[in-house]
Amino acid sequence: DGGITQSPKYLFRKEGQNVTLSCEQNLNHDAMYWYRQDPGQGLRLIYYSQIVNDFQKGDIAEGYSVSREKKESFPLTVTSAQKNPTAFYLCASEKDFRTGTAYTEAFFGQGTRLTVV
Amino acid sequence: AQKITQTQPGMFVQEKEAVTLDCTYDTSDQSYGLFWYKQPSSGEMIFLIYQGSYDEQNATEGRYSLNFQKARKSANLVISASQLGDSAMYFCAMREVYNTDKLIFGTGTRLQVFP
Repeated sequence: DGGITQSPKYLFRKEGQNVTLSCEQNLNHDAMYWYRQDPGQGLRLIYYSQIVNDFQKGDIAEGYSVSREKKESFPLTVTSAQKNPTAFYLCASEKDFRTGTAYTEAFFGQGTRLTVV
Repeated sequence: AQKITQTQPGMFVQEKEAVTLDCTYDTSDQSYGLFWYKQPSSGEMIFLIYQGSYDEQNATEGRYSLNFQKARKSANLVISASQLGDSAMYFCAMREVYNTDKLIFGTGTRLQVFP
């Protein structure tokens, strides 16, 4: 079954710790994204990657880092520099938007809920 | 600049009735796409419907239809014959063709369907 998998589902972080959220897809998609969702707010883009070994900052990249060493994987590290990391994090992938059309369906993982304790 | 606005934080609808969720957008691009996603309490995002800026017909997918009014820059989602399982958060999103770096989202509308 093709899909996108995020793990863990719940994650607790102590103050000053770095934590890494996993995102894996077996859809052979080129592009992958990380979004953050806070209560009452929409999804805000943290980082995205259109191709292996390349990624770009989104609107709220400060305090986060990513890597894209394999097409299937796009892990997100929440560093200690992120002062308010408690949120719901969603990973998404899509085949390739560079087709001259706005239509590419993004597939989302189930999300990781991160809480600072 | 790209922007999506959803002004209804919450909506209630009775089962079997139709409901309209509002979405307005702002873009300077002539070519763009509009999307609606559903987010149940489980947290996953489910793609519902897509409308391209050059599509002349309003998009429909089963009980979902998109009321696209280009001049008013609105892309409202209409759910017909609501079901209890439709209770969820609904997000409107947009992508510009010439700035296709990112899919941007509105703040969402929480829909509750009651018997």
